[in-house]
Amino acid sequence: GENVEQHPSTLSVQEGDSAVIKCTYSDSASNYFPWYKQELGKRPQLIIDIRSNVGEKKDQRIAVTLNKTAKHFSLHITETQPEDSAVYFCAASAYSGNTGKLIFGQGTTLQVKP
Amino acid sequence: NAGVTQTPKFQVLKTGQSMTLQCAQDMNHEYMSWYRQDPGMGLRLIHYSVGAGITDQGEVPNGYNVSRSTTEDFPLRLLSAAPSQTSVYFCASSKRGGGGETQYFGPGTRLLVL
Repeated sequence: GENVEQHPSTLSVQEGDSAVIKCTYSDSASNYFPWYKQELGKRPQLIIDIRSNVGEKKDQRIAVTLNKTAKHFSLHITETQPEDSAVYFCAASAYSGNTGKLIFGQGTTLQVKP
Repeated sequence: NAGVTQTPKFQVLKTGQSMTLQCAQDMNHEYMSWYRQDPGMGLRLIHYSVGAGITDQGEVPNGYNVSRSTTEDFPLRLLSAAPSQTSVYFCASSKRGGGGETQYFGPGTRLLVL
């Protein structure tokens, strides 16, 4: 089955710096790669996702890149702000129609220091 | 819409006791799933369902049962609680199955097994 590895487990940056979180997946059939943000005591929420037919996707300060050959994808946050402090999860799914399941990585705790 | 709701918010059990964690959604979503969240281990998939009457196992199904008699409800049953089941449990739903769409998470149930 699918296995998703996420690194680093913790990341500390200064406000205004960039942050990069990396994930690798094992199932070459995976075709959907979302990223979720979980603030302290809250539920995870989707922040960005990418499908296997796209190499990069941006949404304001957030971008995700996908390398299907190497089976890894990354989250890039530019101009970090204190409110970006949270736990970030990557995930992967090899879905087809109504079949498939979403498998998450271990999470990265991002701390943005003012 | 209430979205995805979970009850109870917090529960303490003794080893060997059984209980049911409730999950309901009012968005007419076909796909529902249960995850457990433990420090350093991310979100691990327990069971999932692509529609009423259909369930399947995830990464860590042992010790848990599920059923899906209606589109709205997806209860998770702990048959004989063990301290290893101490965790935060999240229910999630999406419009369709396969894990290829945005997952909407409930607020979580924090379970302590003594």
